[in-house]
Amino acid sequence: DQQVKQNSPSLSVQEGRISILNCDYTNSMFDYFLWYKKYPAEGPTFLISISSIKDKNEDGRFTVFLNKSAKHLSLHIVPSQPGDSAVYFCAASANDYKLSFGAGTTVTVRA
Amino acid sequence: DARVTQTPRHKVTEMGQEVTMRCQPILGHNTVFWYRQTMMQGLELLAYFRNRAPLDDSGMPKDRFSAEMPDATLATLKIQPSEPRDSAVYFCASGTLKGTGRYNEQFFGPGTRLTVL
Repeated sequence: DQQVKQNSPSLSVQEGRISILNCDYTNSMFDYFLWYKKYPAEGPTFLISISSIKDKNEDGRFTVFLNKSAKHLSLHIVPSQPGDSAVYFCAASANDYKLSFGAGTTVTVRA
Repeated sequence: DARVTQTPRHKVTEMGQEVTMRCQPILGHNTVFWYRQTMMQGLELLAYFRNRAPLDDSGMPKDRFSAEMPDATLATLKIQPSEPRDSAVYFCASGTLKGTGRYNEQFFGPGTRLTVL
């Protein structure tokens, strides 16, 4: 049972424009959310996180928005750069050690 | 530059054979996670250990999979016998429990790509 869903398997965006990645979750006990980035032949690396007490967290070009009532979060990348081409995983936890991951969204930034 | 290492990086084997994957967590991390990545399911948690003790292996098929931590520097994931449906990338990750009672992030190894023919 997939508790974290990334319904868009891929996204193509032009360099310099905004990339918006979406994630939905079903477990109302989730209170901490993370985004991981993965390049081919490498393991995922932590990108940004947000606690359920906030609705926005910003780190440089990356901003995560959380809408608890809709059980939805999004990652905005502005401006998108060629090095941002990767697979992005959304993950969530419910006050324990375990992370539930989505299936990932492959982002391609076109020059 | 501390990082999680995994061996082998690639493994091709025949159905029915035993497969052992190894992971060296980052020194000082007290928790180790095993994940499996498939196209359909994304990253699935198979098992995790804290201070070398198994805390949760509910994501792991018990009849053929086993996970152990013989010491603090080595975690192993074994499949016996292997089946074609086990073909996937297996990731090990390590982390340290924060004061908040959760992990801010997990550090992933590069993965072992397993192909079972």
